[in-house]
Amino acid sequence: QSVLTQSPSVSGAPGQRVTISCTGSSSNIGAPYDLHWYQRLPGTAPKLLIYGNNNRPSGVPDRFSGSTSGTSASLAITGLQAEDEGDYYCQTYDSSLSGWVFGGGTKLTVL
Amino acid sequence: QLQLQESGPGLVKPSETLALTCTVSGGSISSSSYYWGWIRQPPGKGLEWIATIYYSGSTFYNPSLKSRVTISVDSSKNQFSLRLSSVTAADTAVYYCARIRRYCSMTSCLQDYMDVWGKGTTVTVSS
Repeated sequence: QSVLTQSPSVSGAPGQRVTISCTGSSSNIGAPYDLHWYQRLPGTAPKLLIYGNNNRPSGVPDRFSGSTSGTSASLAITGLQAEDEGDYYCQTYDSSLSGWVFGGGTKLTVL
Repeated sequence: QLQLQESGPGLVKPSETLALTCTVSGGSISSSSYYWGWIRQPPGKGLEWIATIYYSGSTFYNPSLKSRVTISVDSSKNQFSLRLSSVTAADTAVYYCARIRRYCSMTSCLQDYMDVWGKGTTVTVSS
């Protein structure tokens, strides 16, 4: 059971907008420690999607955006595409656990 | 372009020690800008951070694994390694090595994220 809670699954049709939530506490997101997002497509290694709450690495489309508020964070994906289907993980530092933690992951299905 | 490649046995017996190596190519492991680490993903579960190391030898361990884990770096070979002792079936997982960026915000200098990942290696613990 991770200290960062993510909904197990989310789905949307091509072209739609979906959001993936990550809920933490005052010892992690609310501390505040910055929140980062990763995308893991089927059969591949995780890939950095968002760092520092809302920054995209070079090469990541601007369809992906991140935000934080209090002890929660969200990843928004607009213009959903079939190739976006995969698992998404949030990650940050937790002062109570004295280590870096990941959310349990959210499986995105493109209908 | 930086690449990381994990290597090591795919099968380890219970109670023995799991040993993995990550070879870094396309960049120097001695860069002052980066840390290096291991993350794993058990079947059907989420990602779990295991350990982090700086080229100078500074280490950080997941408290839940600390008593069994050792991470080390060999700058001459541009490699870093993981040893996990007394393994059980619960240690069966895909193990990833990663390059870690650390930066400071106004509130903390523990703002680590993994910006380059290896492809992962599957380790099964079974007799």
